[in-house]
Amino acid sequence: GAVVSQHPSWVICKSGTSVKIECRSLDFQATTMFWYRQFPKQSLMLMATSNEGSKATYEQGVEKDKFLINHASLTLSTLTVTSAHPEDSSFYICSAKDPVSGSQQETQYFGPGTRLLVL
Amino acid sequence: GQNIDQPTEMTATEGAIVQINCTYQTSGFNGLFWYQQHAGEAPTFLSYNVLDGLEEKGRFSSFLSRSKGYSYLLLKELQMKDSASYLCAVMDSNYQLIWGAGTKLIIKP
Repeated sequence: GAVVSQHPSWVICKSGTSVKIECRSLDFQATTMFWYRQFPKQSLMLMATSNEGSKATYEQGVEKDKFLINHASLTLSTLTVTSAHPEDSSFYICSAKDPVSGSQQETQYFGPGTRLLVL
Repeated sequence: GQNIDQPTEMTATEGAIVQINCTYQTSGFNGLFWYQQHAGEAPTFLSYNVLDGLEEKGRFSSFLSRSKGYSYLLLKELQMKDSASYLCAVMDSNYQLIWGAGTKLIIKP
């Protein structure tokens, strides 16, 4: 099946710094990628939908200026957490839609996640 | 390599019981998750198993056998709203999630 990778797997940073997380679709082109955040033992929460070549669509309550998303190519989307604070510590997961393999139901492939710890 | 296997699709009848299996081979193990995902929506967390045995939560139960690399999700008293995809994911030794492709569950009246 389709593979989605994320880099880095782990990030530990100081409060106030910015962190960039990459999400790549390795063997397919994804016009749409999604960014999720998950706190321990809670559901994945959709943060934003990233469309190649256009601005991302953010979910209510997600700060656009804090979580910068860039979907510059059909295989890469980046999430930058600007001026990170301890409350931003979480597990960030991306997913990508494969328009070729998708059937009646949207087919999303999930990345392995990036664990962010802000000190 | 790391691998998660689960059936692509299953069909069951409203009111019945269905068991969705998941087998895994991963480098290390830090827990197994089950998620439910309705079409067009984000996945929602169902269960987390890190120790062997059965965890029951209402109509849903999840079982884990680490020695066999095996888990199942058991859904009882099926309702039409249970029609969804069910994703199995394992957290490996690096705390990365390895995802299964999901099992599409179709509930018939």
